[in-house]
Amino acid sequence: ENVLTQSPGTLSLSPGERVALSCRASQTVSSNYLAWYQQKPGQAPRLLIYAASSRATGIPDRFSGSGSGTDFTLTISRLEPEDSAVYYCQRYGSSPPDTFGQGTRLEI
Amino acid sequence: EVQLAESGGGLVQPGGSLRLSCVVSGLTFSRNWMSWVRQAPGKGLEWVANIRPDGSDKYYVDSVKGRFTISRDNAKNSLFLEMSSLRVEDTALYYCARGPPHAYWGQGTLVTVSS
Repeated sequence: ENVLTQSPGTLSLSPGERVALSCRASQTVSSNYLAWYQQKPGQAPRLLIYAASSRATGIPDRFSGSGSGTDFTLTISRLEPEDSAVYYCQRYGSSPPDTFGQGTRLEI
Repeated sequence: EVQLAESGGGLVQPGGSLRLSCVVSGLTFSRNWMSWVRQAPGKGLEWVANIRPDGSDKYYVDSVKGRFTISRDNAKNSLFLEMSSLRVEDTALYYCARGPPHAYWGQGTLVTVSS
């Protein structure tokens, strides 16, 4: 099983700052099938990024994804208060399980 | 507008069974992979199962293999999760989601396994 480890676990930043969230896989993520989700309390998750770097429909360009192989990053530039949430990475593709990382809690 | 609506959750005793349903509208259901993802209270997301558009292939997380069965009815735009031999640790909010990647999610149905 491909285990995804996210870091840091929690962080607190100020509006306008920039943040990079890490997702490290224990095995290579084939075809860079790596997605990022945002989840706010009481809400279903929202897809932000798929295929490591493609922004989902309607996602502001403040959110960007990068990386390949086993190391991936979600970068949020110019943080806004509404970015407070838990962020999850997920590997997916032709070889399930479609594992999620344990999440990073971001407080603005 | 794409909508996914889960139902079927509830309180069940350990060892019991439940059948979850998800009705999908606003997209061509028969062309999409579909998944179940769960979230235990206060915990992170856990992928449970997914199914190919034509239903020919199904995949499960190890902890539910042999106990849960995912299925679909493309004529009724519906996804199902048959759960048996339920355990306390299966307690969670169960989401149905299109994909992966999961661009669309329902609001979830709560399954509580407790005596």
